[in-house]
Amino acid sequence: KQEVTQIPAALSVPEGENLVLNCSFTDSAIYNLQWFRQDPGKGLTSLLLIQSSQREQTSGRLNASLDKSSGRSTLYIAASQPGDSATYLCAVYGSARQLTFGSGTQLTVLP
Amino acid sequence: DTAVSQTPKYLVTQMGNDKSIKCEQNLGHDTMYWYKQDSKKFLKIMFSYNNKELIINETVPNRFSPKSPDKAHLNLHINSLELGDSAVYFCASSRGSQGGLNTGELFFGEGSRLTVL
Repeated sequence: KQEVTQIPAALSVPEGENLVLNCSFTDSAIYNLQWFRQDPGKGLTSLLLIQSSQREQTSGRLNASLDKSSGRSTLYIAASQPGDSATYLCAVYGSARQLTFGSGTQLTVLP
Repeated sequence: DTAVSQTPKYLVTQMGNDKSIKCEQNLGHDTMYWYKQDSKKFLKIMFSYNNKELIINETVPNRFSPKSPDKAHLNLHINSLELGDSAVYFCASSRGSQGGLNTGELFFGEGSRLTVL
């Protein structure tokens, strides 16, 4: 059964800092991995989707990497801003044909 | 134009009642999902439909019944509500392929917060 772990559970950084969020998964037989952002009381917003054949995806200040063989993904956020404060969720889509979520990293960027 | 919309956004009801949450997507996707987010913010899939056909039915009490009248809609009916059903329920959709295999991004609705008293 696929399990997804995100470390750290919470992170607080000063504005302007570059940061890395980590995601690991137990079953490397995945089709894709997706990073989401969730603001308090809101739904999930898709940030980046990496197919299993890809190594990384970039969108603006965000860069996500995927190392399928080691069961790891990282989300890199450059020059963090207070508006980046949210919970970041990693989810993998595997052979069970369902998206399995991690428990998230709660990010606070201090002005 | 909202891509995935759910109604109602908030629902407060008494134990034992029957309620429904509606979901509609205007993205032309053929796969839709229901997820439950518990008090610890953990998201878990409940159901997945591909082209109106049930693909995934996780271990969910049979008091929960999804209904898909067409590809753009997936409604969730809950009978005999219990206190433990209180949670946020999210609808999502994606462009699946044959057999419901997801190859694209999932797009989520804003969630429906259900409170059972």
